[in-house]
Amino acid sequence: GAGVSQSPRYKVAKRGQDVALRCDPISGHVSLFWYQQALGQGPEFLTYFQNEAQLDKSGLPSDRFFAERPEGSVSTLKIQRTQQEDSAVYLCASSLGRMNTEAFFGQGTRLTVV
Amino acid sequence: DQQVKQNSPSLSVQEGRISILNCDYTNSMFDYFLWYKKYPAEGPTFLISISSIKDKNEDGRFTVFLNKSAKHLSLHIVPSQPGDSAVYFCAAYASGGGADGLTFGKGTHLIIQP
Repeated sequence: GAGVSQSPRYKVAKRGQDVALRCDPISGHVSLFWYQQALGQGPEFLTYFQNEAQLDKSGLPSDRFFAERPEGSVSTLKIQRTQQEDSAVYLCASSLGRMNTEAFFGQGTRLTVV
Repeated sequence: DQQVKQNSPSLSVQEGRISILNCDYTNSMFDYFLWYKKYPAEGPTFLISISSIKDKNEDGRFTVFLNKSAKHLSLHIVPSQPGDSAVYFCAAYASGGGADGLTFGKGTHLIIQP
């Protein structure tokens, strides 16, 4: 596709369940970012990949959050033992070069933990 | 502590008039600023950006002004159109260090009245 694709669009998880969120960036884009957007807030940076290398994971809120991009294209954000405060929209963005400026965002995955 | 602040949660403007959205930042390391527009159930879409070496950038109906001494930027939309109704996020980036992701404000919901 032409844009950044995320799946699933919506996910309901029971507290304690593990979830995996997928991001298909724009083909050829080197940089990939994950953001978390809580209700009424702006997106907050979670982690950054340049190709397959995870260069920055300073925004991951706890060790329950893990992200990977093994072949430098598709990325997966995994949340283990989900908690209610993990409920948010998770946004993926990709950009052609190193800079995250003018990155293209996907539609996001809305995660609700019940 | 919010490093990027958008103090107006919402703004209502009549069609054809000028819309002015404001953003303040506290981190003096920020040297690149962006505005994103977001419709419901969609990801943010890049609108316009400005580097700290400039004080103005214009693209069609959209102009961004940067006042570095005041740590303030604004987005002007002239003339405002119904399709401009959306949430607008201000974002900032420090190219010289810090997290690789963008730092976003909480957003301003712009409503264009017919």
